[in-house]
Amino acid sequence: NAGVMQNPRHLVRRRGQEARLRCSPMKGHSHVYWYRQLPEEGLKFMVYLQKENIIDESGMPKERFSAEFPKEGPSILRIQQVVRGDSAAYFCASSPLIQGRSTDTQYFGPGTRLTVL
Amino acid sequence: KQEVTQIPAALSVPEGENLVLNCSFTDSAIYNLQWFRQDPGKGLTSLLLIQSSQREQTSGRLNASLDKSSGRSTLYIAASQPGDSATYLCAVRERDDYKLSFGAGTTVTVRA
Repeated sequence: NAGVMQNPRHLVRRRGQEARLRCSPMKGHSHVYWYRQLPEEGLKFMVYLQKENIIDESGMPKERFSAEFPKEGPSILRIQQVVRGDSAAYFCASSPLIQGRSTDTQYFGPGTRLTVL
Repeated sequence: KQEVTQIPAALSVPEGENLVLNCSFTDSAIYNLQWFRQDPGKGLTSLLLIQSSQREQTSGRLNASLDKSSGRSTLYIAASQPGDSATYLCAVRERDDYKLSFGAGTTVTVRA
């Protein structure tokens, strides 16, 4: 049973370009969470999605950032017109749906390390 | 807003010594608390999860305690080994919520 997969593992972009980060949840998991880890800081929640729905995007910057989790395919975190301050590690986590509620445990992927030049 | 603090930020010990890592949180209305391990350039590995009704959890050389009323958790690692060198993260999940609030971590170095 493969774990949470993220790609690419490393991404380098120049200022003004777009960054697209992908997350494939564990098999059978229908909930996806994105977190960002800035240098020397803890992980910060960004967005929580279920298939075709954004449940909570309260941690995501209002501009340039968007996320989706389509019916088919991976979840995508998109950052438009990247700036140096976007350089960070972006982690995706997934959890299954049991009895209509998210379970206790979120399973984390290896992360995508974004560097903006 | 939940604030999670981990002290110390870094710790270096000789092999064989016991490790004590501290985590504090400001809002005691939590659902559970989880300890993770993060290796450089890698993802997070869940070590222990303590439900709010529990006082401690144990797994091998690891033991985590939870004092919800005082907003504290402690991770003990017995007889440390160089392979224990990593960053240890504490995360809390609040009641009626799903997102995790993380501390900044304690980076541990175990010297051979």
